[in-house]
Amino acid sequence: EPEVTQTPSHQVTQMGQEVILRCVPISNHLYFYWYRQILGQKVEFLVSFYNNEISEKSEIFDDQFSVERPDGSNFTLKIRSTKLEDSAMYFCASRDTRLAQETQYFGPGTRLLVL
Amino acid sequence: SQQGEEDPQALSIQEGENATMNCSYKTSINNLQWYRQNSGRGLVHLILIRSNEREKHSGRLRVTLDTSKKSSSLLITASRAADTASYFCATDASGSARQLTFGSGTQLTVLP
Repeated sequence: EPEVTQTPSHQVTQMGQEVILRCVPISNHLYFYWYRQILGQKVEFLVSFYNNEISEKSEIFDDQFSVERPDGSNFTLKIRSTKLEDSAMYFCASRDTRLAQETQYFGPGTRLLVL
Repeated sequence: SQQGEEDPQALSIQEGENATMNCSYKTSINNLQWYRQNSGRGLVHLILIRSNEREKHSGRLRVTLDTSKKSSSLLITASRAADTASYFCATDASGSARQLTFGSGTQLTVLP
């Protein structure tokens, strides 16, 4: 069964450093998402991406964040200058845009630790 | 309460018993989805129920939706130790991107 994959599974970085989290959505899906989950808290929406542009973003997704689809398969989240509070599990999700296909499929996550 | 709030926060049952988790939300929705998360791991999609549906089954899972009360329940029958996980409801409500709003989750522990 097709699945969303994410790399790396874990990333440790120093505060102020740039990180790039990578995702490979399910191949025939056209809607992509990033969510994050701070330890012990809810899963929160960050951004959605469709047709090579951001379709919606939350208040969390400030200028430090950016997303990109550099090729036909990868979808990346970049945090330009990491802060301690960026430590969280980051999930990528994708969704088929065909009629009545509403389920979002999540990847296994990247656990980011900012020191 | 916030959009997509589950109760109870924690539930501990014996293997073989049924587990019921509830979710309440505030705004109109397109659909409501339930996910499972094993400790520190990814989110596994369990079941989706649309706003025009009242009940849905998938294996040992039964989901109900009451849009008049803005609530949903997830029933896991004949629970197993492997069902131990956190369970989240997520509503697909506003936004053209159909982004999900998650609740705080119910931590289910099934004792062997």
